[in-house]
Amino acid sequence: DSGVTQTPKHLITATGQRVTLRCSPRSGDLSVYWYQQSLDQGLQFLIQYYNGEERAKGNILERFSAQQFPDLHSELNLSSLELGDSALYFCASGTGASNQPQHFGDGTRLSIL
Amino acid sequence: GQNIDQPTEMTATEGAIVQINCTYQTSGFNGLFWYQQHAGEAPTFLSYNVLDGLEEKGRFSSFLSRSKGYSYLLLKELQMKDSASYLCAVILPTGGGNKLTFGTGTQLKVEL
Repeated sequence: DSGVTQTPKHLITATGQRVTLRCSPRSGDLSVYWYQQSLDQGLQFLIQYYNGEERAKGNILERFSAQQFPDLHSELNLSSLELGDSALYFCASGTGASNQPQHFGDGTRLSIL
Repeated sequence: GQNIDQPTEMTATEGAIVQINCTYQTSGFNGLFWYQQHAGEAPTFLSYNVLDGLEEKGRFSSFLSRSKGYSYLLLKELQMKDSASYLCAVILPTGGGNKLTFGTGTQLKVEL
């Protein structure tokens, strides 16, 4: 158990819809990272937050947005969903220091029908 | 762009030793991580290298050569439960933060 909690575990929805994925970091971690893992692309970094502020951005689509709240939990919002958005979405948390590991949650499996 | 290369698949025998290689070409480098990921599960941290040389942790060791852009993960006394994907990832400085860039992973199959 990494201590990182993601909900929901599974999500099935249709094209054009909007969903929100939730992540609670490990106790004491200030930084949250979001990743997308699809079969053909591997694990792709989306965005990092540290203590409520955006710190780093990867190839995150404009249809996707995230935020980190004062209690440090984070939400990833995906809108205008397309079939290609079907993937495993992982949240990881860490201290924010580059020499410390990121600890991953169990992921949310998103299926677009 | 960032390039991290690993073999796609490897097969080894229970009790043996296996070495999984990773080469990288990245703009920036703050260290290299190895993660293990079983199918459908979360990646779990194995090791971190930022200086050249070997880091040993039980049955797992990881080596780094920054001048060659090369790392390997060495697994000894292989067990069936070691069958998993092994992900090499470089941590890159990005503005005020940092991001992990992953290779596509090496699927290791341990056989009897």
